[in-house]
Amino acid sequence: AQSVTQPDIHITVSEGASLELRCNYSYGATPYLFWYVQSPGQGLQLLLKYFSGDTLVQGIKGFEAEFKRSQSSFNLRKPSVHWSDAAEYFCAVGAIVMIYNQGGKLIFGQGTELSVKP
Amino acid sequence: NAGVTQTPKFQVLKTGQSMTLQCAQDMNHNSMYWYRQDPGMGLRLIYYSASEGTTDKGEVPNGYNVSRLNKREFSLRLESAAPSQTSVYFCASSGGQGVTYEQYFGPGTRLTVT
Repeated sequence: AQSVTQPDIHITVSEGASLELRCNYSYGATPYLFWYVQSPGQGLQLLLKYFSGDTLVQGIKGFEAEFKRSQSSFNLRKPSVHWSDAAEYFCAVGAIVMIYNQGGKLIFGQGTELSVKP
Repeated sequence: NAGVTQTPKFQVLKTGQSMTLQCAQDMNHNSMYWYRQDPGMGLRLIYYSASEGTTDKGEVPNGYNVSRLNKREFSLRLESAAPSQTSVYFCASSGGQGVTYEQYFGPGTRLTVT
């Protein structure tokens, strides 16, 4: 069965420190992978996505993620965290159905809440 | 360009009451989705519409119905609300020209059923 696991429910880091949020997936084929961020009381915003090609992808707000097929992982990183990065982060896998002019279903992880200490 | 809009933002219902959550997108996307978000459970797909005129069940469809009114609008109806339907509901859209796989989300509707 397709699934996404984010092992860390809650992470606290100090401002200026580096960050890595973990994401592991179970999928039967090459996945399409996404990271979204949700600020309190807001909808989800796309941070970055991986479809194919270079396994290190850059996103908005200084985030990057690396796709490691051998480890079934797509971890999110940021070299230096800012207080405004405090939010909930969701990893998602795209279902294989991909039809021209249509989107596809996504499977979301449970989310990781990030707190930032001053 | 407003993206994905949802109404209402907040709603309180009594058990057994009905209501419709509205969603509209102005990005000319073909596919639209309804999710619910509960603490510790991520987002779970309720229903989706791959294209105008089609709807399909997602992971948790029981107690809900949907209507794809036109290409822009996709509504979610609770016929007889139950406390277990207390949640935050998000609408999303994707699939424009070519394959646009990422989904764009609305701001959400916070629903409480007492």
